[in-house]
Amino acid sequence: EVQLVESGGGLVQPGGSLRLSCAASGFTFSSYWMSWVRQAPGKGLEWVANIKQDGSEKYYVDSVKGRFTISRDNAKNSLYLQMNSLRAEDTAVYYCARGSEGPDYWGQGTLVTVSS
Amino acid sequence: DVVMTQSPLSLPVTLGQPASISCRSSQSLVYSDGNTYLNWFQQRPGQSPRRLIYKVSNRDSGVPDRFSGSGSGTDFTLKISRVEAEDVGVYYCMQGTHWPPTFGGGTKVEIK
Repeated sequence: EVQLVESGGGLVQPGGSLRLSCAASGFTFSSYWMSWVRQAPGKGLEWVANIKQDGSEKYYVDSVKGRFTISRDNAKNSLYLQMNSLRAEDTAVYYCARGSEGPDYWGQGTLVTVSS
Repeated sequence: DVVMTQSPLSLPVTLGQPASISCRSSQSLVYSDGNTYLNWFQQRPGQSPRRLIYKVSNRDSGVPDRFSGSGSGTDFTLKISRVEAEDVGVYYCMQGTHWPPTFGGGTKVEIK
């Protein structure tokens, strides 16, 4: 059974940093593009970033470029999102998802709240 | 960015009746490989999104056959042949053809 379990969310002050993790199981992690998608409270879905199977290609939505870094460790079946210079508008549930052009499995999400 | 426009915003439906959601993109979603990366997701209250349909009309495993997707180019439709109580939630279309992937604003399906 495919499972994606996010962790690392929490309350952080504006300008602060947070590192999200996603533990994958039930499939060959190294064979898939992986993505982060977020959802602000009561709002719709927004793509954040994705990363190729071997980590050689990474893409970011403009609003997080230069502040967020996506990475992966295929030996640990894990996906990461390093978030720096956080802003109030980054407040959202962050989902880890398998795939790129149409993610077929999603985690349960982890809530990031940016507030003073 | 490609803008995905869904309608209606809200869709009250009687149990057992059909429902239809429209999704229009600001650019053609046909990719250079000939595929059209248009997906539909269901998000039930308090849950993560679940993919229902990929590449316009392909149903995911375990998705009831009352869900169907159709369309081409810039105009797409999700249809539920007979709405059941478990179908309540928000439905999103999403394009994966152009970077960045973008989602429609969502259509809330509720029971009358």
